[in-house]
Amino acid sequence: EAGVAQSPRYKIIEKRQSVAFWCNPISGHATLYWYQQILGQGPKLLIQFQNNGVVDDSQLPKDRFSAERLKGVDSTLKIQPAKLEDSAVYLCASSLVQLRDSSYEQYFGPGTRLTVT
Amino acid sequence: GDSVTQMEGPVTLSEEAFLTINCTYTATGYPSLFWYVQYPGEGLQLLLKATKADDKGSNKGFEATYRKETTSFHLEKGSVQVSDSAVYFCALRYNFNKFYFGSGTKLNVKP
Repeated sequence: EAGVAQSPRYKIIEKRQSVAFWCNPISGHATLYWYQQILGQGPKLLIQFQNNGVVDDSQLPKDRFSAERLKGVDSTLKIQPAKLEDSAVYLCASSLVQLRDSSYEQYFGPGTRLTVT
Repeated sequence: GDSVTQMEGPVTLSEEAFLTINCTYTATGYPSLFWYVQYPGEGLQLLLKATKADDKGSNKGFEATYRKETTSFHLEKGSVQVSDSAVYFCALRYNFNKFYFGSGTKLNVKP
C-alpha cells in the first residue's frame, strides 16, 4: 500500500514570508498528525485530526500556524508569517483510528525540510 | 508532565558489536512505550513496542523490555550491522494515541 505522502520535500523562504505544506495520509486512516522536528530534537506534536475535526492543537502556535483537513483526507499546514525559529522538518503521520486504549501504529511521511533565512 | 529521556549520540560501533541505547521515561499512569527508527532520507518507522510492564518488544534482532520499577525501556541488539545505521527514537504514548518522543540517538556502524 502507498505510504504517507508529503510535499514539498524541501522549502527555503525568507522570514515573514508564508509557506504551506501538504500531506496525503494512507487511505482509510482516520487520524492525521502534524509534527515539528527541530534539528537534534524529537518530533513535537503540533496538531491532531480525527477525520476532519481537531482533537488536539494545544501546541500549535495559532498566531502564525494554521492547519486544515476539510474533507477528512488530505491536510495542509500553513505558516504565516514565518520566523527563523520555524526552521525544522515538518512530519505528517496517520493511523487507523484513535481510541483511548489502542496502540495503533503511526505511519510517518518523509517530511518537509523548511529553512527560514 | 510526561517526558522521555534518551542517551545522547552519536554512538559509533563496529559491525557485530553489542548495542544498548538507554531510554527512561516520566509518566502518570501506565503508558505504552515505543522505539522508532529513522533511516537516512526516510520517515520514522515503528521498530518495536511494549504496552505494559515486563512486556518485551522485539523486531529485526532488536529488543526492549518495559521496566516499570526503573521507568526504563532500553534498546538492545546483540550484533549490529552496517544497515542498522540510523537515528533511533524512544517514545511514550499517552491519551488518545498521542506521543512524546525523545531527542533521538544516532547510531553509526562501521564495517
